Amino acid sequence: EVQLVESGGDVVRPGGSLRLSCAASGFSFDDYGLSWVRQVPGKGLEWVSGINWNGGRTFYADSVKGRFTISRDNAKNSLFLQMNSLRAEDTALYHCVRVRFSYGNPTTFDYWGQGTLVTVSS
Amino acid sequence: QSALTQPASVSGSPGQAITISCTGTSSDVGRYKFVSWYQQHPGKAPKLMIYDVTERPAGVSNRFSGSKTGNTASLTISGLQPEDEADYYCCSYAGSGTFVFGGGTKLTVL
Repeated sequence: EVQLVESGGDVVRPGGSLRLSCAASGFSFDDYGLSWVRQVPGKGLEWVSGINWNGGRTFYADSVKGRFTISRDNAKNSLFLQMNSLRAEDTALYHCVRVRFSYGNPTTFDYWGQGTLVTVSS
Repeated sequence: QSALTQPASVSGSPGQAITISCTGTSSDVGRYKFVSWYQQHPGKAPKLMIYDVTERPAGVSNRFSGSKTGNTASLTISGLQPEDEADYYCCSYAGSGTFVFGGGTKLTVL
């Protein structure tokens, strides 16, 4: 059974930093890309960042580019999101998501974690 | 990276069919065949229902189907059942490894 379990969410002040983690199990970790997708409680989904199977390619939404860094450790079946210069509008539930690739491009989010809550507030 | 446009809400009676539209642009929905749909029940993680415009993952009911014409994709649910009541989100690949989601549609089964 595919499992994605996020951790690291917390309350942080504007301008602060936070590192999210995602522990994966139930599949061959280094065969898949991964992404972070966030959701303001009661609101819609927003794609944040993605990474390919070996970490050689990373992708970011314009809203987080230059502030967030995605990375992975295939030896530990883990995905990370380093979040710097946090803003109130970054407040959301952050889901770790497994990504299918097709012809070298990410295409589909096929399994989702339950999410970890990040609150940016003074 | 503007959000795709979905109706805020749709409703139908048990046994009926409903369709949810998802309108993007020639840079996302119109350009790529990588449109997917997700179902989300309250307090739960989203679940993949349709991928690559028309494909159903194993285990998803054949009452769910997808299509696309130009810049608009659609999700059709036939034979509505009470458990179909949920929020539905479309998503499209937008090039350069990026994605855009729709704002979500709340489906009410009357």
